[in-house]
Amino acid sequence: AQRVTQPEKLLSVFKGAPVELKCNYSYSGSPELFWYVQYSRQRLQLLLRHISRESIKGFTADLNKGETSFHLKKPFAQEEDSAMYYCALIGDSNYQLIWGAGTKLIIKP
Amino acid sequence: NAGVTQTPKFRILKIGQSMTLQCTQDMNHNYMYWYRQDPGMGLKLIYYSVGAGITDKGEVPNGYNVSRSTTEDFPLRLELAAPSQTSVYFCASSSPDRGAYNEQFFGPGTRLTVL
Repeated sequence: AQRVTQPEKLLSVFKGAPVELKCNYSYSGSPELFWYVQYSRQRLQLLLRHISRESIKGFTADLNKGETSFHLKKPFAQEEDSAMYYCALIGDSNYQLIWGAGTKLIIKP
Repeated sequence: NAGVTQTPKFRILKIGQSMTLQCTQDMNHNYMYWYRQDPGMGLKLIYYSVGAGITDKGEVPNGYNVSRSTTEDFPLRLELAAPSQTSVYFCASSSPDRGAYNEQFFGPGTRLTVL
């Protein structure tokens, strides 16, 4: 079964501290993985995808197939990073995203 | 471009009432989706459409119906509303065939309460 697990519902760190939001997945093939973000009063939007190997707003995420993880990291958190973060994967289909439950990130000043 | 728009933003229904959630996109995307998000949970796919005239069930279709008469519009119909349908509903669209890495674009959501 395809599944995405985000073990932390809430993560609170101080400004300037490193951030790591965890995402583990269950999928037997080669998944396509994403991080979506929802800032306060804004709509859900794509943050980054593993196939692009990009860094967006200082965030990076590396696909670790051995550990079936796709953790989101940022070395120095900023207050504007406070948001809900969702990990998602596309597995067998070309359209259906499987979502994690989300992690609320709070950056304390 | 307005992107994906949804109406209404909020709605309270009584048990047994029906309503239609509207969704429109102006990006000429072929794929459209309806999700629901319950508190503390991830998004679950209700229905999706890969083009005008083509719809299919997602993970949680019971109690809902959809239609796709045009590329732009993808309304979600709730018949005989039940408290279990209290949720936030998101519409999204994408165009996987354009090589856009399957990015989905979301509407602002509709918060529905059934009492």
